[in-house]
Amino acid sequence: ETGVTQSPTHLIKTRGQQVTLRCSSQSGHNTVSWYQQALGQGPQFIFQYYREEENGRGNFPPRFSGLQFPNYSSELNVNALELDDSALYLCASSLGRTGGSTQYFGPGTRLLVL
Amino acid sequence: TQLLEQSPQFLSIQEGENLTVYCNSSSVFSSLQWYRQEPGEGPVLLVTVVTGGEVKKLKRLTFQFGDARKDSSLHITAAQTGDTGLYLCAGVNSNYQLIWGAGTKLIIKP
Repeated sequence: ETGVTQSPTHLIKTRGQQVTLRCSSQSGHNTVSWYQQALGQGPQFIFQYYREEENGRGNFPPRFSGLQFPNYSSELNVNALELDDSALYLCASSLGRTGGSTQYFGPGTRLLVL
Repeated sequence: TQLLEQSPQFLSIQEGENLTVYCNSSSVFSSLQWYRQEPGEGPVLLVTVVTGGEVKKLKRLTFQFGDARKDSSLHITAAQTGDTGLYLCAGVNSNYQLIWGAGTKLIIKP
């Protein structure tokens, strides 16, 4: 059974650019959640996808968007990057929604916006 | 806005000592989870507490959920260097979202 993988591991972008981060969920998991973790902070919930539909969203602007594919892998897209978007982006997969099942986290993508 | 406050933010102690990390909120959570995160990795779930007053033990780690389900504590007995890491608490709210604390960075010195 493979764990959650994310790509790329590191990324450097400049303000105003767009970025796409990818996540492959653990085998058999149908739910993916994305989090932003700024340096020295706990993760902040961005949104969750359950069977290809958005199933909850945190307090992030619309320039943060996502997608889940039929194989349950997922993408996080961020448009018009700002300096404050610099953070570790984590995805977590689970079987079912957050409340009732364990989330397994990937190693994250560290994004630096200059 | 639901918030979880963790304390202390940073703790550095000698191997063999005991420590307690606290996680407090004014909100009620359906359950509360504790994670440990190593540098360059995602958080790994240690335990989930569900019932008010619940106590769970994981070897030298003892987790407690407050009676009102608003706070929790993590106690480590006889800390070891391998316990070094970032400890995070996260509450599960009524929308099944995880609300995270800012974390406690723990360093155990040999």
